[in-house]
Amino acid sequence: EAQVTQNPRYLITVTGKKLTVTCSQNMNHEYMSWYRQDPGLGLRQIYYSMNVEVTDKGDVPEGYKVSRKEKRNFPLILESPSPNQTSLYFCASSLSMGYNEQFFGPGTRLTVL
Amino acid sequence: GDSVTQMEGPVTLSEEAFLTINCTYTATGYPSLFWYVQYPGEGLQLLLKATKADDKGSNKGFEATYRKETTSFHLEKGSVQVSDSAVYFCALRNAGNMLTFGGGTRLMVKP
Repeated sequence: EAQVTQNPRYLITVTGKKLTVTCSQNMNHEYMSWYRQDPGLGLRQIYYSMNVEVTDKGDVPEGYKVSRKEKRNFPLILESPSPNQTSLYFCASSLSMGYNEQFFGPGTRLTVL
Repeated sequence: GDSVTQMEGPVTLSEEAFLTINCTYTATGYPSLFWYVQYPGEGLQLLLKATKADDKGSNKGFEATYRKETTSFHLEKGSVQVSDSAVYFCALRNAGNMLTFGGGTRLMVKP
């Protein structure tokens, strides 16, 4: 089954404790992206990757890191999480950057205390 | 910069009622326009799209027409069902291929 998976689905942590949210897709997609969803703000892009070893900042990259060492994986790293990073995070992928349809993962709800 | 504005929700309707969710956008050039749907506990799914002016996107009884003169892409459905209860996001993709989302509109359909 073609899908985008994220782990964990739910995470509660404390300020400053490094964490990683994993994202994996099995569709051989070149393009992957991370978004955060906050009430009333829709989805805002954090980082994206057009291919292996190619990443770039989105609209709200501060406080986040990403890496793309393999085509299927695109982890999101929070080196020192803060309460303003409490949010719902979505990973997405598509065949290429300009391709019409992005496939979204189920989301990761992160709470930083 | 680009922006998408949607009507604030929640929108509460009875089953079989007519649905309109307004969406307007600001962008340079000729963006592609999308509606995504998010069912409870799930990620977003593409519902429909339109890539040029006067195009009509349609899927699952939903429709939206790309109106360049009013910079709008309103979502409509003639008869909603309880299973349509979800959050709906309007989005655009500009020439740089970046997606910009609206704030989302929650639809609740009562039996």
